Amino acid sequence: GAVVSQHPSWVICKSGTSVKIECRSLDFQATTMFWYRQFPKQSLMLMATSNEGSKATYEQGVEKDKFLINHASLTLSTLTVTSAHPEDSSFYICSARPYPHAGNGLAGVYNYEQYFGPGTRLTVT
Amino acid sequence: GEDVEQSLFLSVREGDSSVINCTYTDSSSTYLYWYKQEPGAGLQLLTYIFSNMDMKQDQRLTVLLNKKDKHLSLRIADTQTGDSAIYFCAESFGNEKLTFGTGTRLTIIP
Repeated sequence: GAVVSQHPSWVICKSGTSVKIECRSLDFQATTMFWYRQFPKQSLMLMATSNEGSKATYEQGVEKDKFLINHASLTLSTLTVTSAHPEDSSFYICSARPYPHAGNGLAGVYNYEQYFGPGTRLTVT
Repeated sequence: GEDVEQSLFLSVREGDSSVINCTYTDSSSTYLYWYKQEPGAGLQLLTYIFSNMDMKQDQRLTVLLNKKDKHLSLRIADTQTGDSAIYFCAESFGNEKLTFGTGTRLTIIP
């Protein structure tokens, strides 16, 4: 249980274009999803927290107009990098936190845990 | 503010025990975690410990927490080549966001 997928796994785009990354919880419903970015040989930095049906909360220094987050359902959140530039090239990782109710009675799934996707590598040329 | 630090590198001979250390500054954390990241992949939760516990063991993994010194460690017994990865410690406060350490790259020497 507790599988989170991301699509695409890697993407190359030209500078100035927009890229959408999807994060899906496959076998549970997620109240909250988190988006992180990770530069080479560095730790994960939280970009924003998104709750289903409401606006995302962005961390300090993250431009909300550049990194658009939509969390339209309990199983899907999307991150759109708008007008991408080479400095946006990074590894983007999402995580999902299960909705705390009996319907998420998957073995080994803890309601307050975060389960991570495999990441999306974005390269902007 | 939150600050979580780890040594960047650790090399261990296959079959020996690995001990990865982590220090943190905020003592109000609720849970502390250890995650494993293999090359080009996301994070896999290995284990976690509630902040009022001192130790937790799960098969080859032993987590020790010293709240007084704000020190967390992960011991991997009988280290295997498949344990090669980057290990991140992290802390959370209630049900809120995770703050990650800088990561320790574990290399296994045959």
